[in-house]
Amino acid sequence: NAGVTQTPKFRVLKTGQSMTLLCAQDMNHEYMYWYRQDPGMGLRLIHYSVGEGTTAKGEVPDGYNVSRLKKQNFLLGLESAAPSQTSVYFCASKTGDQPQHFGDGTRLSIL
Amino acid sequence: KQEVTQIPAALSVPEGENLVLNCSFTDSAIYNLQWFRQDPGKGLTSLLLIQSSQREQTSGRLNASLDKSSGRSTLYIAASQPGDSATYLCAVIRPLSGGYNKLIFGAGTRLAVHP
Repeated sequence: NAGVTQTPKFRVLKTGQSMTLLCAQDMNHEYMYWYRQDPGMGLRLIHYSVGEGTTAKGEVPDGYNVSRLKKQNFLLGLESAAPSQTSVYFCASKTGDQPQHFGDGTRLSIL
Repeated sequence: KQEVTQIPAALSVPEGENLVLNCSFTDSAIYNLQWFRQDPGKGLTSLLLIQSSQREQTSGRLNASLDKSSGRSTLYIAASQPGDSATYLCAVIRPLSGGYNKLIFGAGTRLAVHP
């Protein structure tokens, strides 16, 4: 079972560049989430989606955009990367009241 | 605003010890509470989910308790093993409008079990 797959696993960007992180799940889950994890802090919710074509803001949405054009994919975009966005990004998905399943993360460094 | 605190931030114990990890939260209006394990370079693996109507959950050598009135949860690990070395995160689950939930995480406890 693939579960939740995040690509890429690592990336280094220069300030001002743009990129898209991809999250794919093969469990037919309705809900998908993007988090960031910074040292000494817990995971913080960036954006989430409750179904295809719908997205909503989480705790720290500024500087990010998302899209859920297909049920199995949830994309996180950085239009103009900033050093403050250096972090580890995690995607998760779930169905109903079941626990969230997490991907292995994308380590993003912005110089 | 809900805040989740985990104490201690790091813990090192010899193999075989029983240990307790603590999680406290400021707002008792939670839906559920969940404990996760995170290995270096990996995502989170759910260990135990305690619903708000429950007081504890057990899985193998793990036991998690929940006391909403005091805003506390503990994760008890019996007979610790080197393979238990990881970061343990707790998250309170609060309902959002629209019927879905939000996880609010603590910063985690980094556990090292040495032979």
